[in-house]
Amino acid sequence: ETGVTQSPTHLIKTRGQQVTLRCSSQSGHNTVSWYQQALGQGPQFIFQYYREEENGRGNFPPRFSGLQFPNYSSELNVNALELDDSALYLCASSETDRNQETQYFGPGTRLLVL
Amino acid sequence: AQKVTQAQTEISVVEKEDVTLDCVYETRDTTYYLFWYKQPPSGELVFLIRRNSFDEQNEISGRYSWNFQKSTSSFNFTITASQVVDSAVYFCALSDPYSSASKIIFGSGTRLSIRP
Repeated sequence: ETGVTQSPTHLIKTRGQQVTLRCSSQSGHNTVSWYQQALGQGPQFIFQYYREEENGRGNFPPRFSGLQFPNYSSELNVNALELDDSALYLCASSETDRNQETQYFGPGTRLLVL
Repeated sequence: AQKVTQAQTEISVVEKEDVTLDCVYETRDTTYYLFWYKQPPSGELVFLIRRNSFDEQNEISGRYSWNFQKSTSSFNFTITASQVVDSAVYFCALSDPYSSASKIIFGSGTRLSIRP
């Protein structure tokens, strides 16, 4: 196990609702990245937080937002949920934000939007 | 643009057979990092290996081995004497040196099934 934890494990929401997913990083890691993995596809980068600041963002709309707290845990918020937001959401932590760092993933949160 | 291609969508072999998972990547940069991750049915991505672009030595770890060939932009993964527990989806990935963040670009994955 990596030491990265995520909650909840599963979630069912309806279209238009809002959701908050949580992630605790591995001890000693100050960087958290979020990925969305649709069924049958590879993970897609949403954004990254380094020392409580957003440090890079993928091709996701502003209704995907996040936070990082002083203890380096993080939240992913999604507003105005759409059916296509149904996916596995993965959180990964790393020691720093440098490109060569290995990212260690949590077990994910499976979100179903009806 | 950076891209990772895993052309093999699904592979099924009988236990104890050797199997190779192919990975081809595209990048404009001379410094980059390649990764392999395993995703069992539980969903968690398990880190297997990281390789930087300046190190073309093949690596072996138990039954796992990796063949990095810069000339063909390939980073293939071989499992020797496969076991049922090796059944999973395997992702090859590339770091994005043009991103302000340590963004990883994943391939679409290869689903490996090992039959008893």
